[in-house]
Amino acid sequence: DSGVTQTPKHLITATGQRVTLRCSPRSGDLSVYWYQQSLDQGLQFLIQYYNGEERAKGNILERFSAQQFPDLHSELNLSSLELGDSALYFCASSATGSGRGTGELFFGEGSRLTVL
Amino acid sequence: SQQGEEDPQALSIQEGENATMNCSYKTSINNLQWYRQNSGRGLVHLILIRSNEREKHSGRLRVTLDTSKKSSSLLITASRAADTASYFCVINTGGFKTIFGAGTRLFVKA
Repeated sequence: DSGVTQTPKHLITATGQRVTLRCSPRSGDLSVYWYQQSLDQGLQFLIQYYNGEERAKGNILERFSAQQFPDLHSELNLSSLELGDSALYFCASSATGSGRGTGELFFGEGSRLTVL
Repeated sequence: SQQGEEDPQALSIQEGENATMNCSYKTSINNLQWYRQNSGRGLVHLILIRSNEREKHSGRLRVTLDTSKKSSSLLITASRAADTASYFCVINTGGFKTIFGAGTRLFVKA
């Protein structure tokens, strides 16, 4: 158990809809990362937050947004969903993420999104 | 580029054999980390090697780092069917982004 919790585990929805994925980081970790993994693909870095502030952005679509709340949990919002958005969405946390420390990431088990 | 690139893309071996996979990168690093992902599961951190280290062991895992060649290798000795997974290297440059490469898919045949 990594200590990172993601909900929901599975989600099936229709094109055009909006969903919210939630991540609770390990206790004490300040940094949260979001990744997208399509079938049999590598991980695409989406976005990183550190202590409530956005710190790095990857290939995140404009239809996607995220935030980290004062209690350090994070949410990834996906809107106007398309078939191609079907993927595993992973959240990871780390103690720092500010460039200092080892940068070791702890991953949740992912949220599997299916868009029909 | 802020990511490592794994090689080979896929590797198939018999149980009991050793598996070696490589990672190359292009920039200076603070450390390099290897992760494993079982199919459809979250990634698990395996081992970290710092830029001033040349070799590190953890159980059946051996990692080497050659900063002059900007490369690392992960050796899994006496492989087991349970080692079947994708393996990713990640470089830590001190920046904010943590970017994964495409990984090496290891298949260990029983």
